[in-house]
Amino acid sequence: GAGVSQSPSNKVTEKGKDVELRCDPISGHTALYWYRQSLGQGLEFLIYFQGNSAPDKSGLPSDRFSAERTGGSVSTLTIQRTQQEDSAVYLCASSFRAGMNTEAFFGQGTRLTVV
Amino acid sequence: DQQVKQNSPSLSVQEGRISILNCDYTNSMFDYFLWYKKYPAEGPTFLISISSIKDKNEDGRFTVFLNKSAKHLSLHIVPSQPGDSAVYFCAASAGGATNKLIFGTGTLLAVQP
Repeated sequence: GAGVSQSPSNKVTEKGKDVELRCDPISGHTALYWYRQSLGQGLEFLIYFQGNSAPDKSGLPSDRFSAERTGGSVSTLTIQRTQQEDSAVYLCASSFRAGMNTEAFFGQGTRLTVV
Repeated sequence: DQQVKQNSPSLSVQEGRISILNCDYTNSMFDYFLWYKKYPAEGPTFLISISSIKDKNEDGRFTVFLNKSAKHLSLHIVPSQPGDSAVYFCAASAGGATNKLIFGTGTLLAVQP
């Protein structure tokens, strides 16, 4: 497809289990972002990848969270030992490239529920 | 440290009237500002943007105004339509080598028929 694709769209997991969330950005977009939206909250920045540069991980809430981007395309956000407060919608976005004023395009999100 | 603030969590407007959504920021390095619209169970969609070299950008029914001295921007929608009912997020970036977007907490707009 032409847009940002995220999978799964919904994930229910037991507290303490690990989860992986996937993001396929728009082809040719070098910048990729992960955000999350908790119930009633705004969009919280998590991590940002730009080309081959070191990612900006300043928004990751704890060391249980990690993300990688393979081959400059697909990204996986991993949450280890999930907690109930991790329940949120996790949104991925991509943009053409950094250094230019350009909008980011979002996927539909993954709704994570930790029970 | 909330660098981008939307102080009104909700706004209700009559169809056909003007909707004005406000956003304040604290980081003087921000030079690019965007508005996104979000419907339930969907990702945010880009609406309109403005560079810091401008003070106004217009696209159809949507106009964004930027007041750099006040570190304030606003989105005007006129005339408002029921389909405009959504959560509106303001975002900002400092540009340069990175393009990290910092978002506000959003304003829920309800346009009453």
